[in-house]
Amino acid sequence: DQQVKQNSPSLSVQEGRISILNCDYTNSMFDYFLWYKKYPAEGPTFLISISSIKDKNEDGRFTVFLNKSAKHLSLHIVPSQPGDSAVYFCAAPLRNSGNTPLVFGKGTRLSVIA
Amino acid sequence: NAGVTQTPKFQVLKTGQSMTLQCAQDMNHEYMSWYRQDPGMGLRLIHYSVGAGITDQGEVPNGYNVSRSTTEDFPLRLLSAAPSQTSVYFCASSARMGGAEQYFGPGTRLTVT
Repeated sequence: DQQVKQNSPSLSVQEGRISILNCDYTNSMFDYFLWYKKYPAEGPTFLISISSIKDKNEDGRFTVFLNKSAKHLSLHIVPSQPGDSAVYFCAAPLRNSGNTPLVFGKGTRLSVIA
Repeated sequence: NAGVTQTPKFQVLKTGQSMTLQCAQDMNHEYMSWYRQDPGMGLRLIHYSVGAGITDQGEVPNGYNVSRSTTEDFPLRLLSAAPSQTSVYFCASSARMGGAEQYFGPGTRLTVT
């Protein structure tokens, strides 16, 4: 059973507009979340993270929002650029303590149209 | 500083053949892991290691073996390849677990016929 869910396999956005990528999780014990970006034929690269003690974290054009009561987080990209076209993965530590790997969602493919 | 390197980039195997996917990192990271990426399935954890001599199973470990004799290297072995193991394999490392940023290698695309 997937603990991190990205229910939209793809998203298409016009250049300059906002891109909103969504992620839901089932484990209320998760306390840290990460977004990774992946281009074709490359490995994923870290984009931005958020701790559960915050509800927002911003880094340039990228902002992640966390709604703990809804077990939902979203990644906002403003303004969207063609170079943002990639697959975006949401991830969380599998367990809340100790040595634990990350569990990833299935990813959302973002296409930014010029 | 090469980061995480993986070899080979591409490999074609016949069913039943064995091979080892190599992964090395030069960042002195304790934690290393192997993932496979399949269409519509995202990244699924195969095996991981929290340090030299310590490994554990992830979500999809069947058909794969790992060992961690040094901090730098974390090879993934397929003892008897099956078509279901056709996938893109990624190795990752991080300085600590529990949510630290992971650094991924470029991937190995494996086809089993």
